[in-house]
Amino acid sequence: SQQGEEDPQALSIQEGENATMNCSYKTSINNLQWYRQNSGRGLVHLILIRSNEREKHSGRLRVTLDTSKKSSSLLITASRAADTASYFCATDRSGYSTLTFGKGTMLLVSP
Amino acid sequence: DVKVTQSSRYLVKRTGEKVFLECVQDMDHENMFWYRQDPGLGLRLIYFSYDVKMKEKGDIPEGYSVSREKKERFSLILESASTNQTSMYLCASSSRQGWNNEQFFGPGTRLTVL
Repeated sequence: SQQGEEDPQALSIQEGENATMNCSYKTSINNLQWYRQNSGRGLVHLILIRSNEREKHSGRLRVTLDTSKKSSSLLITASRAADTASYFCATDRSGYSTLTFGKGTMLLVSP
Repeated sequence: DVKVTQSSRYLVKRTGEKVFLECVQDMDHENMFWYRQDPGLGLRLIYFSYDVKMKEKGDIPEGYSVSREKKERFSLILESASTNQTSMYLCASSSRQGWNNEQFFGPGTRLTVL
């Protein structure tokens, strides 16, 4: 069964705007990760946040985690056309090395 | 530069053919994974392996088998390909050391079964 579910399914913004994507999950986790996929390519790891962390930054990315609500958000600030991609959250299954991926948010950034 | 490679970017096969998808990683990772990705369904785990000659079923193993004879190589086998196995197949690897289970993905193989 799907652990992570992203929201919205699709997001269209202009360059320079911020993009926010959300992820909800159902069971306890050790960490939550965000990945990016350019059209027709493999996924690339963006950022990992551990269950005891509330917020993490990496460049223009900001991730928050609320374990009480079982949700996370990914914020991309000052978006660029090159940020156009699908974004997936992934949660680990406690005690295992496997990840469960959501269905993704398709982000379109127009120049 | 770490790398996961897959044997083909695009593959077209006939129904009933035996299909081999190969994945190689150069990071000395213990864990390797095979996923399939379909529109509206996201990534689904087919099989994974946490060591040479070890394999575990994922969420959708039916119709697939795997082989891991060497640490760096993980093969996905479709014994008798069917049209419902037309999909994008993604291989990934990760380290079992420490708590960071970040996965590194290959570029994917888009398989079409006619």
